[in-house]
Amino acid sequence: TQLLEQSPQFLSIQEGENLTVYCNSSSVFSSLQWYRQEPGEGPVLLVTVVTGGEVKKLKRLTFQFGDARKDSSLHITAAQPGDTGLYLCAGFVYGNKLVFGAGTILRVKS
Amino acid sequence: KAGVTQTPRYLIKTRGQQVTLSCSPISGHRSVSWYQQTPGQGLQFLFEYFSETQRNKGNFPGRFSGRQFSNSRSEMNVSTLELGDSALYLCASSLNTATNEKLFFGSGTQLSVL
Repeated sequence: TQLLEQSPQFLSIQEGENLTVYCNSSSVFSSLQWYRQEPGEGPVLLVTVVTGGEVKKLKRLTFQFGDARKDSSLHITAAQPGDTGLYLCAGFVYGNKLVFGAGTILRVKS
Repeated sequence: KAGVTQTPRYLIKTRGQQVTLSCSPISGHRSVSWYQQTPGQGLQFLFEYFSETQRNKGNFPGRFSGRQFSNSRSEMNVSTLELGDSALYLCASSLNTATNEKLFFGSGTQLSVL
């Protein structure tokens, strides 16, 4: 059982559509991070959310941390083919150990 | 500045052999963590080193080991390879291990065990 559950597992959409990816847990995290990974590369950190209820925006990407700090979401507005990749949420547990969700594979078709 | 460098990029081994993977962190970074990524299990934490000391360890068998040198470069070793060890092995470096630390990942070593 994953400590962090991500949904959906796979998303295939047309360019210009909006989408939301969810990351849920029964555990409280001091913070959650979102990464994007492209084939053949390592994950790249997009954002860290720290405060319950926090909303962060990165261009067309909006990240939200749940009030209880158990869940987070990533919303992409007007998706583009360049957004294609594997999106991972992750949280720190004791020290510098990151636990990752299984990831959401996003494919944006032009 | 240069990113996290992992070598080799690809590796093919047979069951029973051992393998050593190398990771050079970003200059100035003292923490190095290793992760295993597979399609079935996703990304799983192996261990973390800071100032040549293992500070944290994941739930992997003793066949998986690592070390860190005084220049912060790190190696991980897998002995008596099994088919299930086939995976992308990722190394990540960071300045310290403060909460919410930003980790920088390398491109990984793709290990195939035949």
